Amino acid sequence: NAGVTQTPKFQVLKTGQSMTLQCAQDMNHNSMYWYRQDPGMGLRLIYYSASEGTTDKGEVPNGYNVSRLNKREFSLRLESAAPSQTSVYFCAGRWTDSYEQYFGPGTRLTVT
Amino acid sequence: AQSVTQPDIHITVSEGASLELRCNYSYGATPYLFWYVQSPGQGLQLLLKYFSGDTLVQGIKGFEAEFKRSQSSFNLRKPSVHWSDAAEYFCAVGAYNNDMRFGAGTRLTVKP
Repeated sequence: NAGVTQTPKFQVLKTGQSMTLQCAQDMNHNSMYWYRQDPGMGLRLIYYSASEGTTDKGEVPNGYNVSRLNKREFSLRLESAAPSQTSVYFCAGRWTDSYEQYFGPGTRLTVT
Repeated sequence: AQSVTQPDIHITVSEGASLELRCNYSYGATPYLFWYVQSPGQGLQLLLKYFSGDTLVQGIKGFEAEFKRSQSSFNLRKPSVHWSDAAEYFCAVGAYNNDMRFGAGTRLTVKP
């Protein structure tokens, strides 16, 4: 099993450009999550999907959109990137009857 | 909403010495508590978790943590630190509604 995978690993964008971060899992997770990690702030939840077909805002959703394409895939879209979105983005998944989350390796995004 | 405080931003210990990383949480109900470890450039790996029952929980890599409700704490310990334990450690508190909050992290440096 590959677990939780994310693409790309690194990305540099100019202000105003758009892009989609991809996340896929083969662990049969029901819920999936997108976090951003900034120095000194830990991880903050952007959006989550409790089940296929549903999405909800987390702590810091502004400037982002998500799509739960199917049970395996959960993408994060930046429509118009801003320097404040420079961060490391992590995708995670969990099973319904368990509260721990399993994380992907992350995408390091720089917006210039 | 729940919150987590990790009072120590950076800790340095000598190899072979004991380790304790502090974590305090705020949550109105019974918390679900976690410790994750992040090596440089990697995703987060679950070290251990507490849901209920025995307040001393054992995890991977020789780590343990003790839940103390009266102190709202969930400190992580290891009797003898190895150089490979150098990493960043995150405490997290989860709730029934999919909301997991992370502390800002404690960076551990291990001296030879």
